[in-house]
Amino acid sequence: GAVVSQHPSRVICKSGTSVKIECRSLDFQATTMFWYRQFPKQSLMLMATSNEGSKATYEQGVEKDKFLINHASLTLSTLTVTSAHPEDSSFYICSASTRNSITEAFFGQGTRLTVV
Amino acid sequence: KQEVTQIPAALSVPEGENLVLNCSFTDSAIYNLQWFRQDPGKGLTSLLLIQSSQREQTSGRLNASLDKSSGRSTLYIAASQPGDSATYLCAGDQTGANNLFFGTGTRLTVIP
Repeated sequence: GAVVSQHPSRVICKSGTSVKIECRSLDFQATTMFWYRQFPKQSLMLMATSNEGSKATYEQGVEKDKFLINHASLTLSTLTVTSAHPEDSSFYICSASTRNSITEAFFGQGTRLTVV
Repeated sequence: KQEVTQIPAALSVPEGENLVLNCSFTDSAIYNLQWFRQDPGKGLTSLLLIQSSQREQTSGRLNASLDKSSGRSTLYIAASQPGDSATYLCAGDQTGANNLFFGTGTRLTVIP
């Protein structure tokens, strides 16, 4: 099956700093990548969708200037949480799909972000 | 906006029992549906994918079905094992674009 690698798996940062999370498709070209977050005891919620080479489309209520998404290549997307605050502490997970397999997206391992 | 409810929220069963997890969508227009398991602090493991033209999928002791008319899906787990203990999530998309709406999850505990 297709493999998506997400890094780091855990990160702790100070309030006010920025954190970058990487999502890589290892054995396929990810034409589309998705970013989700999951607050404790809640379901995963889609934050944004990015197509390679295009600006990301953000879901309602997600600040695009705070959560910067870059999808500059077919194998890498990054999510940067800028000026992180404790309320941004969450589980962030990416998924990737390709035009060759449009019926399924493949998920990374997730990143546990803690802002102190 | 699509909302996904999973019932029960938590379930504890003795080893060997068969069990059913339920998932319902407020908008029954579902294109693809997936069931995942999530272990504590970990990512998602895809279990079953029901594509737009399908109504059911089976893998080993797992069987998932989807009733598109009602927007309901069930995951059947046969002969449960302690290793099945995890949170089970259902998710669907409405266009085939893979932007998934996730359910609230069912936390399953199988007691040896």
